[in-house]
Amino acid sequence: SAVISQKPSRDICQRGTSLTIQCQVDSQVTMMFWYRQQPGQSLTLIATANQGSEATYESGFVIDKFPISRPNLTFSTLTVSNMSPEDSSIYLCSVGSRAGSYNEQFFGPGTRLTVL
Amino acid sequence: GQNIDQPTEMTATEGAIVQINCTYQTSGFNGLFWYQQHAGEAPTFLSYNVLDGLEEKGRFSSFLSRSKGYSYLLLKELQMKDSASYLCAVRDSNYQLIWGAGTKLIIKP
Repeated sequence: SAVISQKPSRDICQRGTSLTIQCQVDSQVTMMFWYRQQPGQSLTLIATANQGSEATYESGFVIDKFPISRPNLTFSTLTVSNMSPEDSSIYLCSVGSRAGSYNEQFFGPGTRLTVL
Repeated sequence: GQNIDQPTEMTATEGAIVQINCTYQTSGFNGLFWYQQHAGEAPTFLSYNVLDGLEEKGRFSSFLSRSKGYSYLLLKELQMKDSASYLCAVRDSNYQLIWGAGTKLIIKP
């Protein structure tokens, strides 16, 4: 299993500012994922962060708004830029390995973001 | 497009059995996952099916029929702590997880 920590656990931010969320894993992992989960809804994948290459963004998410870093196999950051109240959500870091067989996808505890 | 369907909400009684269904249409199939998510917490892994049939793990079992694009999660001997949302997710041909909206399970005494 993988143990994932995220910082901060929660934050309240002003419109127009940016927040960087950190994700630390206790083991080296190939793929890291950033999700958003709005209240009462399921998870929406923002992007896949691979070490040594640019992140791959899903439809509706762009690098200028959600820049991602992946400097090594145990760490990643997601920045929510120029925030608006619509960005209020829980942001979850997740890890998994691309394997042909069984694997789990583990989630961090999440960062609860409120934008005023 | 890709689609995962599961009921929005279900109610069951403590000590009883409940079955949560999930149907899917995805581009390829590389496994189906069930996750449990308590309010305000991150999802936690429950089960994984990649072959047809039933996987049992304690009070929880998960079933898969690939030909029907169908799975269910069976919870036995329900406890109050089982009140949570249950998320069905399918890994497609690109190894991307496609998530259902989740089923909120309410357990009543």
